[in-house]
Amino acid sequence: GDSVTQTEGLVTLTKGLPVMLNCTYQTTYSPFLFWYVQHLNEAPKLLLKSSTDNKRTEHQGFYATLHKSSSSFHLQKSSVQLSDSALYFCALSEGNMGYKLTFGTGTSLLVDP
Amino acid sequence: GALVYQYPRRTICKSGTSMRMECQAVGFQATSVAWYRQSPQKTFELIALSTVNSAIKYEQNFTQEKFPISHPNLSFSSMTVLNAYLEDRGLYLCGARRGANSDYTFGSGTRLLVI
Repeated sequence: GDSVTQTEGLVTLTKGLPVMLNCTYQTTYSPFLFWYVQHLNEAPKLLLKSSTDNKRTEHQGFYATLHKSSSSFHLQKSSVQLSDSALYFCALSEGNMGYKLTFGTGTSLLVDP
Repeated sequence: GALVYQYPRRTICKSGTSMRMECQAVGFQATSVAWYRQSPQKTFELIALSTVNSAIKYEQNFTQEKFPISHPNLSFSSMTVLNAYLEDRGLYLCGARRGANSDYTFGSGTRLLVI
């Protein structure tokens, strides 16, 4: 079945530094990848999504590129802010907006002043 | 904008009893509702997907007998955890969307503690 792997459970950074959160996936279908961000006691919100190979997608300073050759969709930001402290989930859907989202285990990002 | 409300936000039930949680879509018509569970130390697992005018589809390891779901209209869904035990504790997340080509909007979840 489908699976999503996020290797870092916790990432701690100082404000202003760049960050990359890893996400790799396995599927036999055409992949649609998502990044969700969840702040404390809030709902997960969609941050980025892509199904296009080798095309960078950006939102709110975050960016990611789907690389089908390496089955990856890493999330990056060039300069993290305190408000970026949150839980980040990578998720996979089969095909074009398939109904089922398969989530990774999540990465907690903690930004220090 | 599209919002999803879940209630209660957190609840405690005695082992062997049942607990009902609700999911309300505001600002859009939720033709599909997905219920997920995040157990301690685990990621979100899909329990079932409910689409209006279609049968509710349960994932492996989850059954209607244990997690009956109601989706009576385009703004509301509920799920009950029957005979809850320790392994049922966790955060239950409801995600709703307009249709097959739209993104899910998630609620903040119902946190279930079983004692």
